Amino acid sequence: EVQLVESGGGLVQPGGSLRLSCAASGFTFSSYNMGWVRQAPGKGLEWVSYISGGSITIFYADSVKGRFTISRDNAKNSLYLHMNSLRAEDTAVYYCASWDIGTHCFDNWGQGTLVTVSS
Amino acid sequence: EIVLTQSPGTLSLSPGERATLSCRASQSVSSTYLAWYQQKPGQPPRLLIYGASSRATGIPDRFSGSGSGTDFTLTISRLEPEDFAVYFCQQYGSSQFTFGPGTKLDIK
Repeated sequence: EVQLVESGGGLVQPGGSLRLSCAASGFTFSSYNMGWVRQAPGKGLEWVSYISGGSITIFYADSVKGRFTISRDNAKNSLYLHMNSLRAEDTAVYYCASWDIGTHCFDNWGQGTLVTVSS
Repeated sequence: EIVLTQSPGTLSLSPGERATLSCRASQSVSSTYLAWYQQKPGQPPRLLIYGASSRATGIPDRFSGSGSGTDFTLTISRLEPEDFAVYFCQQYGSSQFTFGPGTKLDIK
């Protein structure tokens, strides 16, 4: 069974940093591209970042470019999101999701981790 | 950046009725990269449709997707109580992924 489990969320002050992790199991992690998608309270979904299986291809949404860094450790079956210079508008539930290169969609999602940016 | 617009914002229907949800793109989208997701309160999104018209594993055949270019549709033929949720369309193109704002399907 595919499982994606996010961790690392919490309360952080504006301007602060946080690192999110996503532990993957039940599939060959290194063969899957991965992404982070966030959802502000009561709002819709916003794509944040994407990384290919071998970390060669990386994309960011304009709203986080230069502040967030996506990375992965295939030996540990883990995906990360390093978030710097956090703003109130970054407050959201952050989901990690696997991207199926055959069907070209986010086919599996974690339960999410809440990041709150507030003083 | 391709912007996705979904309509209606809220759709109020009764179980057994047919639901038609629209997703319109600001420029042409490859059908290969158009997907639909369902989200219930407190849960992550769940993949329903990929490639504009292919059902994901385990999705009942009352769900169907269609469309091309800039206009895509998700149809639920006969609503079941568990279908009342929020539905998002999503596309990938030019190194960017975008989601529509969602359509909330609620019980009339």
